[in-house]
Amino acid sequence: GAGVSQSPSNKVTEKGKDVELRCDPISGHTALYWYRQSLGQGLEFLIYFQGNSAPDKSGLPSDRFSAERTGGSVSTLTIQRTQQEDSAVYLCASSFSRDGYTFGSGTRLTVV
Amino acid sequence: AQTVTQSQPEMSVQEAETVTLSCTYDTSESDYYLFWYKQPPSRQMILVIRQEAYKQQNATENRFSVNFQKAAKSFSLKISDSQLGDAAMYFCALNSWGKLQFGAGTQVVVTP
Repeated sequence: GAGVSQSPSNKVTEKGKDVELRCDPISGHTALYWYRQSLGQGLEFLIYFQGNSAPDKSGLPSDRFSAERTGGSVSTLTIQRTQQEDSAVYLCASSFSRDGYTFGSGTRLTVV
Repeated sequence: AQTVTQSQPEMSVQEAETVTLSCTYDTSESDYYLFWYKQPPSRQMILVIRQEAYKQQNATENRFSVNFQKAAKSFSLKISDSQLGDAAMYFCALNSWGKLQFGAGTQVVVTP
């Protein structure tokens, strides 16, 4: 596609449920990033993929968070047993090289 | 480890005036990229300007320019002839290899 697509754009879930957030990067972009942005805060790095492998998972906050990428394309971020502190906007970005990153519009997750 | 510091939580500027946003960073790499991103209330991250570390010439994009001081590890953004549409959160970001690291952001308020 022309841009980075994230779905859903908004998600409300009950505490304790699992959620899956999807990122569809720009075709041909080899690198894919996930970030979390809490209300009024900066971007917190979660995980980075180069192709299908994740050289840097250092930002995942706990073992409830996991991510995968298949076919060097779509990525899914899964949060198990959601907690209220997981409420945030989750942003995805993709890039072909280090000099340019394109972001999606994000998924706003609300845990009630 | 990479760090990016934005010490100004908010800056206010009148229309048609100039505002400068500060950013300092730290990295052990010699080859890296620096970016300024704009995030309006729509939450879409928009690339404003980028700078390659090995280029001494400061980048310019229309009304936006940077002052890149490599030795001081400083990367400030100047917005000239400010417009109402420039109102947004501005993030400074650093990429060497892999992770794109963001500062905490500076909220720019433009007054008529």
